[in-house]
Amino acid sequence: SQQGEEDPQALSIQEGENATMNCSYKTSINNLQWYRQNSGRGLVHLILIRSNEREKHSGRLRVTLDTSKKSSSLLITASRAADTASYFCATYFTQGGSEKLVFGKGTKLTVNP
Amino acid sequence: NAGVMQNPRHLVRRRGQEARLRCSPMKGHSHVYWYRQLPEEGLKFMVYLQKENIIDESGMPKERFSAEFPKEGPSILRIQQVVRGDSAAYFCGTESFRSTDTQYFGPGTRLTVL
Repeated sequence: SQQGEEDPQALSIQEGENATMNCSYKTSINNLQWYRQNSGRGLVHLILIRSNEREKHSGRLRVTLDTSKKSSSLLITASRAADTASYFCATYFTQGGSEKLVFGKGTKLTVNP
Repeated sequence: NAGVMQNPRHLVRRRGQEARLRCSPMKGHSHVYWYRQLPEEGLKFMVYLQKENIIDESGMPKERFSAEFPKEGPSILRIQQVVRGDSAAYFCGTESFRSTDTQYFGPGTRLTVL
């Protein structure tokens, strides 16, 4: 089935360090999105990268997309304790006439002060 | 998350009871997606609705689960005769027909079945 798979499953770093999370998927996509989820809360949309884009920036976030390898990475620079959360990639594609988002299992990021 | 409302935030039911989860989309959003999330897992797609229409219910169990999005009022995900395995967080994501590739999510309903 089409699914984004993130790695690592868990990542623990110190404040100020960079955090890199990776995502792999299986079939063609329209776009790939990254979301953040704080413990016990809903998802917050971070960034969307389209299939014809290779890199995108938003503040301290940098996302890359390699469609030949079917992979994406999310880099958070100069991390802060407030960045502690789970991060999910989601692939957006068309199947059976409808478009849908398919989420991976997420990377749990802990930023230690 | 701005504007997408879900209620209740927490719901406790005993086995065999019914659970009704509500999702009010952001203003101007006419597309609603329901997802289920188990602990330490990502969101799993259940159903996609537009006003008064079910577009894709391929992720929703055929029995006991139903969803609607009436012309007026919130979208409702209904689970009849709940079982312990239904315990999960249920999220709705909504989008505008103008911008159909970015969803905004509600805070979720955490269903616990005793």
